[in-house]
Amino acid sequence: DTEVTQTPKHLVMGMTNKKSLKCEQHMGHRAMYWYKQKAKKPPELMFVYSYEKLSINESVPSRFSPECPNSSLLNLHLHALQPEDSALYLCASSQVVSGTVYEQYFGPGTRLTVT
Amino acid sequence: LAKTTQPISMDSYEGQEVNITCSHNNIATNDYITWYQQFPSQGPRFIIQGYKTKVTNEVASLFIPADRKSSTLSLPRVSLSDTAVYYCLVGDPNGGKLIFGQGTELSVKP
Repeated sequence: DTEVTQTPKHLVMGMTNKKSLKCEQHMGHRAMYWYKQKAKKPPELMFVYSYEKLSINESVPSRFSPECPNSSLLNLHLHALQPEDSALYLCASSQVVSGTVYEQYFGPGTRLTVT
Repeated sequence: LAKTTQPISMDSYEGQEVNITCSHNNIATNDYITWYQQFPSQGPRFIIQGYKTKVTNEVASLFIPADRKSSTLSLPRVSLSDTAVYYCLVGDPNGGKLIFGQGTELSVKP
Protein backbone atom coordinates (compact mmCIF):
# COMPACT_ATOMS: atom_id res chain seq x y z
CA ASP A 1 0.00 0.00 0.00
CA THR A 2 1.74 3.14 -1.24
CA GLU A 3 -1.14 5.49 -0.65
CA VAL A 4 -1.49 8.57 1.48
CA THR A 5 -5.11 9.44 2.16
CA GLN A 6 -6.47 12.82 3.15
CA THR A 7 -9.87 13.83 4.43
CA PRO A 8 -11.91 15.76 3.65
CA LYS A 9 -11.32 16.38 -0.06
CA HIS A 10 -12.98 19.78 0.16
CA LEU A 11 -13.65 22.04 3.12
CA VAL A 12 -15.38 25.38 3.37
CA MET A 13 -15.11 27.15 6.69
CA GLY A 14 -15.81 30.54 8.16
CA MET A 15 -13.17 32.64 9.86
CA THR A 16 -14.51 31.77 13.32
CA ASN A 17 -14.75 28.03 12.74
CA LYS A 18 -12.53 25.28 14.07
CA LYS A 19 -11.86 22.37 11.75
CA SER A 20 -9.27 19.64 11.28
CA LEU A 21 -7.60 18.07 8.27
CA LYS A 22 -6.61 14.43 8.50
CA CYS A 23 -3.88 12.42 6.82
CA GLU A 24 -3.12 8.70 7.04
CA GLN A 25 -0.47 6.37 5.66
CA HIS A 26 0.29 2.70 6.23
CA MET A 27 3.69 2.44 4.58
CA GLY A 28 5.60 2.44 7.84
CA HIS A 29 7.00 5.88 7.13
CA ARG A 30 8.20 7.76 10.17
CA ALA A 31 8.36 11.22 8.58
CA MET A 32 5.20 13.12 7.73
CA TYR A 33 4.73 16.57 6.24
CA TRP A 34 2.19 19.31 5.70
CA TYR A 35 2.44 21.58 2.66
CA LYS A 36 0.32 24.48 1.51
CA GLN A 37 -0.14 25.15 -2.20
CA LYS A 38 -1.73 28.20 -3.74
CA ALA A 39 -2.96 28.17 -7.32
CA LYS A 40 -0.16 28.17 -9.92
CA LYS A 41 2.48 28.10 -7.18
CA PRO A 42 4.77 25.33 -5.88
CA PRO A 43 3.98 23.54 -2.61
CA GLU A 44 5.33 25.33 0.45
CA LEU A 45 6.51 23.29 3.40
CA MET A 46 4.68 24.03 6.66
CA PHE A 47 5.59 21.30 9.15
CA VAL A 48 7.68 18.14 9.36
CA TYR A 49 7.21 15.36 11.89
CA SER A 50 9.92 12.79 12.45
CA TYR A 51 9.15 9.83 14.70
CA GLU A 52 5.97 11.59 15.84
CA LYS A 53 7.89 14.65 17.01
CA LEU A 54 7.70 18.04 15.37
CA SER A 55 11.09 18.63 13.77
CA ILE A 56 10.43 21.57 11.44
CA ASN A 57 7.97 24.44 11.74
CA GLU A 58 8.43 26.88 8.89
CA SER A 59 7.27 29.88 10.93
CA VAL A 60 3.64 28.98 10.34
CA PRO A 61 1.02 31.16 12.13
CA SER A 62 -0.41 29.65 15.30
CA ARG A 63 -3.88 29.41 13.75
CA PHE A 64 -2.47 26.24 12.16
CA SER A 65 -1.76 23.57 14.76
CA PRO A 66 -0.30 20.21 13.70
CA GLU A 67 -0.65 16.98 15.61
CA CYS A 68 0.83 13.54 15.08
CA PRO A 69 -1.05 11.14 17.39
CA ASN A 70 0.77 8.06 16.07
CA SER A 71 3.09 6.97 13.29
CA SER A 72 0.28 6.57 10.76
CA LEU A 73 -1.76 9.69 11.40
CA LEU A 74 -1.19 13.39 10.95
CA ASN A 75 -3.71 16.11 11.71
CA LEU A 76 -3.79 19.82 11.01
CA HIS A 77 -6.10 21.77 13.31
CA LEU A 78 -7.42 25.02 11.92
CA HIS A 79 -8.79 27.93 13.93
CA ALA A 80 -9.59 31.55 13.10
CA LEU A 81 -8.28 31.30 9.56
CA GLN A 82 -8.16 34.16 7.09
CA PRO A 83 -9.42 34.15 3.51
CA GLU A 84 -5.80 34.20 2.28
CA ASP A 85 -5.36 30.77 3.91
CA SER A 86 -7.55 29.28 1.20
CA ALA A 87 -5.36 26.78 -0.65
CA LEU A 88 -4.72 23.12 -1.35
CA TYR A 89 -3.25 21.47 1.74
CA LEU A 90 -1.05 18.50 0.96
CA CYS A 91 0.15 15.78 3.28
CA ALA A 92 3.18 13.63 2.49
CA SER A 93 5.20 10.87 4.11
CA SER A 94 8.64 9.34 3.67
CA GLN A 95 11.22 7.15 5.29
CA VAL A 96 13.61 8.75 7.75
CA VAL A 97 17.27 8.03 7.27
CA SER A 98 19.86 10.63 8.18
CA GLY A 99 22.28 11.77 5.53
CA THR A 100 20.06 11.18 2.53
CA VAL A 101 16.69 12.15 1.14
CA TYR A 102 13.96 9.66 0.41
CA GLU A 103 11.04 10.21 -1.93
CA GLN A 104 7.96 11.72 -0.43
CA TYR A 105 4.57 10.18 -1.12
CA PHE A 106 1.87 12.83 -1.39
CA GLY A 107 -1.81 12.58 -0.73
CA PRO A 108 -4.40 14.15 -3.08
CA GLY A 109 -4.82 17.16 -0.84
CA THR A 110 -7.68 18.98 0.86
CA ARG A 111 -9.05 21.98 -1.01
CA LEU A 112 -9.74 24.57 1.72
CA THR A 113 -11.86 27.66 1.21
CA VAL A 114 -12.11 30.22 4.00
CA THR A 115 -15.09 32.55 3.74
CA LEU B 1 19.47 25.53 1.03
CA ALA B 2 20.21 25.30 -2.67
CA LYS B 3 17.84 27.26 -4.88
CA THR B 4 16.73 25.86 -8.22
CA THR B 5 15.95 27.62 -11.48
CA GLN B 6 13.99 26.00 -14.29
CA PRO B 7 12.10 27.23 -17.36
CA ILE B 8 8.58 28.37 -16.55
CA SER B 9 7.03 26.50 -19.46
CA MET B 10 7.80 24.19 -22.37
CA ASP B 11 5.83 22.88 -25.31
CA SER B 12 6.27 19.56 -27.04
CA TYR B 13 4.50 17.13 -29.34
CA GLU B 14 3.52 13.56 -28.78
CA GLY B 15 6.33 11.10 -29.41
CA GLN B 16 9.12 13.60 -28.89
CA GLU B 17 11.82 13.45 -26.25
CA VAL B 18 11.61 16.29 -23.74
CA ASN B 19 14.56 17.57 -21.75
CA ILE B 20 13.99 19.93 -18.84
CA THR B 21 17.10 21.50 -17.33
CA CYS B 22 17.38 22.75 -13.78
CA SER B 23 20.14 25.00 -12.42
CA HIS B 24 21.29 24.66 -8.82
CA ASN B 25 24.57 26.54 -8.61
CA ASN B 26 24.97 26.37 -4.83
CA ILE B 27 24.19 22.70 -4.35
CA ALA B 28 25.78 21.24 -1.23
CA THR B 29 27.94 18.13 -1.10
CA ASN B 30 25.27 16.02 0.57
CA ASP B 31 22.33 17.24 -1.51
CA TYR B 32 20.40 14.90 -3.80
CA ILE B 33 18.48 16.07 -6.86
CA THR B 34 14.88 14.97 -7.12
CA TRP B 35 12.15 15.53 -9.70
CA TYR B 36 8.41 15.47 -9.07
CA GLN B 37 5.45 15.62 -11.43
CA GLN B 38 2.16 17.27 -10.53
CA PHE B 39 -1.20 17.18 -12.29
CA PRO B 40 -3.88 19.78 -11.49
CA SER B 41 -5.60 19.24 -8.14
CA GLN B 42 -3.35 16.30 -7.25
CA GLY B 43 -0.34 15.88 -5.00
CA PRO B 44 3.14 15.76 -6.57
CA ARG B 45 4.41 12.37 -7.64
CA PHE B 46 8.03 11.27 -7.41
CA ILE B 47 9.69 10.71 -10.80
CA ILE B 48 13.40 10.18 -10.22
CA GLN B 49 16.28 11.02 -7.92
CA GLY B 50 20.04 11.14 -8.37
CA TYR B 51 23.30 12.31 -6.90
CA LYS B 52 25.70 12.31 -9.85
CA THR B 53 26.17 11.01 -13.42
CA LYS B 54 23.11 9.31 -14.88
CA VAL B 55 20.09 7.62 -13.38
CA THR B 56 17.41 5.85 -15.39
CA ASN B 57 14.12 4.26 -14.41
CA GLU B 58 11.06 3.09 -16.30
CA VAL B 59 9.71 6.59 -16.92
CA ALA B 60 12.66 9.00 -17.12
CA SER B 61 16.38 9.60 -17.08
CA LEU B 62 18.29 12.12 -15.01
CA PHE B 63 21.60 13.50 -16.20
CA ILE B 64 23.90 15.24 -13.72
CA PRO B 65 27.26 16.66 -14.82
CA ALA B 66 30.37 16.29 -12.72
CA ASP B 67 30.08 19.76 -11.15
CA ARG B 68 26.43 19.02 -10.15
CA LYS B 69 25.44 22.65 -10.73
CA SER B 70 22.67 21.61 -13.06
CA SER B 71 20.62 18.55 -13.96
CA THR B 72 18.44 17.50 -16.88
CA LEU B 73 15.28 15.44 -16.68
CA SER B 74 14.71 13.51 -19.89
CA LEU B 75 11.26 12.16 -20.75
CA PRO B 76 11.37 9.81 -23.75
CA ARG B 77 8.51 9.82 -26.26
CA VAL B 78 6.05 11.98 -24.33
CA SER B 79 2.31 11.53 -24.63
CA LEU B 80 -0.61 13.86 -23.92
CA SER B 81 -0.83 12.43 -20.40
CA ASP B 82 2.62 13.83 -19.62
CA THR B 83 1.17 17.34 -19.64
CA ALA B 84 1.88 18.48 -16.09
CA VAL B 85 4.11 20.66 -13.94
CA TYR B 86 7.58 19.27 -13.26
CA TYR B 87 9.50 20.33 -10.17
CA CYS B 88 13.23 20.08 -9.59
CA LEU B 89 14.24 19.89 -5.94
CA VAL B 90 17.59 19.84 -4.22
CA GLY B 91 17.28 18.03 -0.95
CA ASP B 92 18.57 18.99 2.45
CA PRO B 93 19.27 15.68 4.16
CA ASN B 94 18.68 17.15 7.59
CA GLY B 95 15.09 16.43 8.54
CA GLY B 96 13.83 15.82 5.02
CA LYS B 97 13.29 19.47 4.24
CA LEU B 98 12.62 19.86 0.53
CA ILE B 99 12.09 23.21 -1.14
CA PHE B 100 10.11 23.17 -4.37
CA GLY B 101 11.23 25.54 -7.11
CA GLN B 102 8.78 27.31 -9.37
CA GLY B 103 8.35 24.31 -11.64
CA THR B 104 8.13 23.86 -15.41
CA GLU B 105 4.70 23.62 -16.98
CA LEU B 106 5.01 21.09 -19.81
CA SER B 107 2.34 21.08 -22.47
CA VAL B 108 2.27 18.11 -24.85
CA LYS B 109 0.29 18.63 -28.03
CA PRO B 110 -1.05 16.06 -30.49
